[in-house]
Amino acid sequence: DGGITQSPKYLFRKEGQNVTLSCEQNLNHDAMYWYRQDPGQGLRLIYYSQIVNDFQKGDIAEGYSVSREKKESFPLTVTSAQKNPTAFYLCATSKGQGATDTQYFGPGTRLTVL
Amino acid sequence: AQSVTQLDSQVPVFEEAPVELRCNYSSSVSVYLFWYVQYPNQGLQLLLKYLSGSTLVKGINGFEAEFNKSQTSFHLRKPSVHISDTAEYFCAVTDWSSGSARQLTFGSGTQLTVLP
Repeated sequence: DGGITQSPKYLFRKEGQNVTLSCEQNLNHDAMYWYRQDPGQGLRLIYYSQIVNDFQKGDIAEGYSVSREKKESFPLTVTSAQKNPTAFYLCATSKGQGATDTQYFGPGTRLTVL
Repeated sequence: AQSVTQLDSQVPVFEEAPVELRCNYSSSVSVYLFWYVQYPNQGLQLLLKYLSGSTLVKGINGFEAEFNKSQTSFHLRKPSVHISDTAEYFCAVTDWSSGSARQLTFGSGTQLTVLP
């Protein structure tokens, strides 16, 4: 069954703790992305990766970190430096890096900081 | 820099009525436009996209959109909605102004609620 999986679906964290969100894909896509979604604000790009072992900051990278050690995996760590981490996090992939390549989205992880 | 404005945050409509969700964009170069749908607590699903060619684009679930370059708009339409169309809809744009990176800029979303 092909697709993008994100785990966990719901995640609770205490203030001051780091937490890692998983994103795995078996679509053989080169590019992967992390977005943050807040009510009434649409989606904002956190980080993206075009190939293995390479990634770039998006519009709101502060307080987040990523790695891309395997083509299939692009985990996102929300660090204690992120001041307002409660949000819905979406991972996406695209076959290539061109503007015409469609981005496909995973089901998301809802993070709540207690 | 590119930007997207979705003019209506909420659109209520009765079942079987037509609907139009409005989207305007701003960009100094050629653009590619997308509409995505999001059901509660789920990821986004592509409805349709405009890359080039015919300005009328047909998508899934009976939706269509028309690219209007002079008005910088890409409005989404459906002639007859169903209860199952209740969801949030996002317009998105990308261009080549950001160099080799391919970034989508999203609008703030329109919540479509279909009433029985």
